[in-house]
Amino acid sequence: DAMVIQNPRYQVTQFGKPVTLSCSQTLNHNVMYWYQQKSSQAPKLLFHYYDKDFNNEADTPDNFQSRRPNTSFCFLDIRSPGLGDAAMYLCATSGDGNWEETQYFGPGTRLLVL
Amino acid sequence: AQKVTQAQTEISVVEKEDVTLDCVYETRDTTYYLFWYKQPPSGELVFLIRRNSFDEQNEISGRYSWNFQKSTSSFNFTITASQVVDSAVYFCAVTIQGAQKLVFGQGTRLTINP
Repeated sequence: DAMVIQNPRYQVTQFGKPVTLSCSQTLNHNVMYWYQQKSSQAPKLLFHYYDKDFNNEADTPDNFQSRRPNTSFCFLDIRSPGLGDAAMYLCATSGDGNWEETQYFGPGTRLLVL
Repeated sequence: AQKVTQAQTEISVVEKEDVTLDCVYETRDTTYYLFWYKQPPSGELVFLIRRNSFDEQNEISGRYSWNFQKSTSSFNFTITASQVVDSAVYFCAVTIQGAQKLVFGQGTRLTINP
């Protein structure tokens, strides 16, 4: 089945230690998104890639970076995680990049910062 | 700016009861799409339905039904004969032309008790 895959499902890191979260997709979609979801809150868009074009949300902290080396993979890098960065990180994809398309989500990576 | 309000923070019902989750949205655009997603305890956001602003026809899918009323800017979701497996957080969301992002409501936590 075509799907969005996130690894690892749980990630523990130390305060200030860089961490990378991974997302891959078999849907061959052009657009990949990263959302942050804190406890009992709605998902919040951090940034997205339309093909190789990176689009950052205005309020996304500089501490968060992303890479998309090819169509299938996208990475979220947190350069110096703080306690406030503990959250669920959700990756999503959509097809051709048209605004009305459905976004399909992966299972998420739950990040714990010690 | 767009906004989605899910006034019901938590709902708890007994299995086999019918339950309706409310969603009210705000947008000045005439062209937009509305979505519902389900987030079970595992964390993955599962796509349920997409509806465009020009299609006010109600939709039924098994035990799920959706009532879209443009006059009241509402897109409500009803589960008939609820089951324990329906327990989850449900998010309503909107996307508008030109914006490559979903705007989510705060979610409704639904608990179905046996």
